[in-house]
Amino acid sequence: DIQMTQSPSSLSASVGDRVTITCRASQDITNYLNWYQQKPGKAPKLLIYNASDLETGVPSRFSEGGSGTEFTFTISSLQPEDIATYFCQQYADLPLTFGGGTKVDIK
Amino acid sequence: QVLLVESGGGVVQPGRSLRLSCAASGFTFNTYAMHWVRQAPGKGLEWLAVISYDGMNKYHADSVKGRFTISRDNSKNTLYLQMNSLRAEDTAVYYCARQTLPAAIMDYWGQGTLVTVSS
Repeated sequence: DIQMTQSPSSLSASVGDRVTITCRASQDITNYLNWYQQKPGKAPKLLIYNASDLETGVPSRFSEGGSGTEFTFTISSLQPEDIATYFCQQYADLPLTFGGGTKVDIK
Repeated sequence: QVLLVESGGGVVQPGRSLRLSCAASGFTFNTYAMHWVRQAPGKGLEWLAVISYDGMNKYHADSVKGRFTISRDNSKNTLYLQMNSLRAEDTAVYYCARQTLPAAIMDYWGQGTLVTVSS
């Protein structure tokens, strides 16, 4: 199975800050990576797919970079509505696997 | 609009069975592969199973293989998860999700149904 390691597990930042989350795969997954946002008590929501494509309606302050085994998810200017847990997920191979999640809150 | 509504969760004793359902609407159900994903309380996401658009191909995670079975009834626009021999560690919110065409990207999710395994 492909292991996905996400860091940090949590972070606290101020409104307007740039926030970066890293996701590492245990083997090359090219760009077969998705990012989901999950707010408390809600289902996950797809934000980014194919490592860099923004889902329709997702604000452009969200972006992703990377390929192979290392990926970086960025919120360019943190907003109060971005408070959530973010998960990466690989789909290079079955079983699909998720990172452990990064909980983002406001300082 | 795309809507996925899970049902069938509840409290069940260890060793018993439960069948979850996911009613789909707002899209052509029989052209999309579907997934089940779960989330234990306060934990991360765990992918469980996928079924092809026609039900002919299925894949289950090792953690549930032999106990859980994914299936679908395209005439009813409904996805199922049959869960047998339930354990305390199966306690979680269970989500169904639609897969985009053609890659394993889960673009729409249901609101989830809580399964609690406890004596």
